[in-house]
Amino acid sequence: QKEVEQNSGPLSVPEGAIASLNCTYSDRGSQSFFWYRQYSGKSPELIMSIYSNGDKEDGRFTAQLNKASQYVSLLIRDSQPSDSATYLCAVNRFYSGGSNYKLTFGKGTLLTVNP
Amino acid sequence: EAGVAQSPRYKIIEKRQSVAFWCNPISGHATLYWYQQILGQGPKLLIQFQNNGVVDDSQLPKDRFSAERLKGVDSTLKIQPAKLEDSAVYLCASSLVVEGQGINEQFFGPGTRLTVL
Repeated sequence: QKEVEQNSGPLSVPEGAIASLNCTYSDRGSQSFFWYRQYSGKSPELIMSIYSNGDKEDGRFTAQLNKASQYVSLLIRDSQPSDSATYLCAVNRFYSGGSNYKLTFGKGTLLTVNP
Repeated sequence: EAGVAQSPRYKIIEKRQSVAFWCNPISGHATLYWYQQILGQGPKLLIQFQNNGVVDDSQLPKDRFSAERLKGVDSTLKIQPAKLEDSAVYLCASSLVVEGQGINEQFFGPGTRLTVL
C-alpha cells in the first residue's frame, strides 16, 4: 500500500463548479496535512494546511480531514481556469529515531477547469 | 520576505559528468530539504538538514550524490557521475518546524531542471 494515494486524474470540471480532490494515507501516526498546487513547469506552492479533524476554509478552498478514515480532501469552490494545475497532497509525521518531521507526497491530481 | 533561492534553473550535461546545485533557504528557517521530482511523480525527499546536521538521507544515492550545508544556511547538492535516470527537477525547500505541534510547512524554491544526455 502506498503511503499517500491520490487519483492521478485528470479531473475535469467546468468553470464555476466545485472541484473535489481526494487523498488517503496509510500511516496512522501522521500529524499534519498539506495541499500544494503545482503549475506545469513550476515548483509546488503551499495553499492549505490542516492539523485537526474537520474542515478548514480559506477563501475558495476548503480542506477536510478525517483521521479515523485516514482521508484528506480539498474542495475548490467556483473553480476558475487559473486553478488548472496539479494538486499534491502531503502528509507529515514525526520520526523520533531521527528527531525530525518528514513530509511524504502523493503523486498529485491533475485538475483542468474548462471555460 | 524573500523566498527560497536556487541556481541554476536549468542544466544539461552528458552522462558521467558532474553537476552541482545551490540553494539559499528562507531567512531563519533551520530545516532545509532537497527533493527530486520526476515528471508525473510527487517530490521525493533526498536529504534533510537541521541547521548543519543531516537528519535524514535514507533515500540519497550516496554512491553518486552528496550534499552539504555549511554554516547552517546555504546548501549544495552534487551528482558525480550523473546517470540518465538522474534527469529530473531538483527542488530545495525550507521550513520553520514547530516541534510538538506537527507543524512543518515547507516552502519550495523554483527548482533546477536537470537533463542528462
